[in-house]
Amino acid sequence: LAKTTQPISMDSYEGQEVNITCSHNNIATNDYITWYQQFPSQGPRFIIQGYKTKVTNEVASLFIPADRKSSTLSLPRVSLSDTAVYYCLVGVRNQGGKLIFGQGTELSVKP
Amino acid sequence: DAGVIQSPRHEVTEMGQEVTLRCKPISGHNSLFWYRQTMMRGLELLIYFNNNVPIDDSGMPEDRFSAKMPNASFSTLKIQPSEPRDSAVYFCASRTGSHTDTQYFGPGTRLTVL
Repeated sequence: LAKTTQPISMDSYEGQEVNITCSHNNIATNDYITWYQQFPSQGPRFIIQGYKTKVTNEVASLFIPADRKSSTLSLPRVSLSDTAVYYCLVGVRNQGGKLIFGQGTELSVKP
Repeated sequence: DAGVIQSPRHEVTEMGQEVTLRCKPISGHNSLFWYRQTMMRGLELLIYFNNNVPIDDSGMPEDRFSAKMPNASFSTLKIQPSEPRDSAVYFCASRTGSHTDTQYFGPGTRLTVL
């Protein structure tokens, strides 16, 4: 499974757009990129998944360049409730489901 | 849908005692995962099952840990004997196994071994 590297922590203010970049230089052809969010005292929660270009849902957008060696999770107009740890994972979709969580990025949103 | 259900939510026990954690996956999901989370080691996958069969238990730390899935709606993670270093939050997650690999996590069991 491809190893991922992301910033340990980030600070932001309410109303700002937050972009968290994840590096995955060894991503394989069949790998998908998935982001999870974890609030304190809760289990991780799926946010978004993509393979290439751009994916958008009601929560976030995921930007993936052509070489797929990195990806950027974009959270529009964050609020205090977006304070959480965000994990970037890379793995093969529908292949056993084994996911390896890295250290994640601890996002702190301030008023 | 009630989501993934775990019990107990909190467990405090003494070193040497047997601990059993329980998980009920989302109905219809055919894969189940057990994770452990600590400050030092982060979120670690311990074992996962597909269709009630253990597929990969390489993350199980040692023989003191065992997991079973007797049917599609129930799984247990047992630690015998427990040690203080087993103190962690244990999460159970399930997935459908088709079209997506989205995992749905339970609320976790916070285990403290004194």
